[in-house]
Amino acid sequence: DAKTTQPPSMDCAEGRAANLPCNHSTISGNEYVYWYRQIHSQGPQYIIHGLKNNETNEMASLIITEDRKSSTLILPHATLRDTAVYYCIVRVFRDDKIIFGKGTRLHILP
Amino acid sequence: DSGVTQTPKHLITATGQRVTLRCSPRSGDLSVYWYQQSLDQGLQFLIQYYNGEERAKGNILERFSAQQFPDLHSELNLSSLELGDSALYFCASSVVASSNEQFFGPGTRLTVL
Repeated sequence: DAKTTQPPSMDCAEGRAANLPCNHSTISGNEYVYWYRQIHSQGPQYIIHGLKNNETNEMASLIITEDRKSSTLILPHATLRDTAVYYCIVRVFRDDKIIFGKGTRLHILP
Repeated sequence: DSGVTQTPKHLITATGQRVTLRCSPRSGDLSVYWYQQSLDQGLQFLIQYYNGEERAKGNILERFSAQQFPDLHSELNLSSLELGDSALYFCASSVVASSNEQFFGPGTRLTVL
């Protein structure tokens, strides 16, 4: 079973920062937070992952709270192409499989 | 484009039939994963192969089987098909057996009538 809780859907205006929350209150010390997204029935796409420090790459930023029980994925300047289902996943580092939950359906509004 | 290819894109068949889905991983990737996405169950991990050997198993039915060939392509065989097997089937690949990032193919949409 997925170990994360995400809102089922969110809206964000184009050009604004999209902040997607995720709760993972039962996360273990050896588990990382990963984010993937799925654009309209395409294959999921890796976005970012982190353990306890904030992480940033060319796609997004990941902010993990100090107690590691929740995190936020930030898309700094959302575009219409960011409309997708975003999955927050808790996973032992480099575990073989990915356990997907229901994700958050992000709608970017023009 | 992830570099992972899957064929066919669409497949329509009848209950009781058998089908084979094919996946070619990215060049250099040794590990292949299969996932099933249905409306009621969401995205579920089925099975993983690494360099020709089965490495991890998830919620894969006994009617389903998979293999990875010496050229590293993989096939997922689905038999005695039921209506509930209608789903998107994704293949993913990664360089090593345990990797931060899995690269997903475009999927095969299976419809069982």
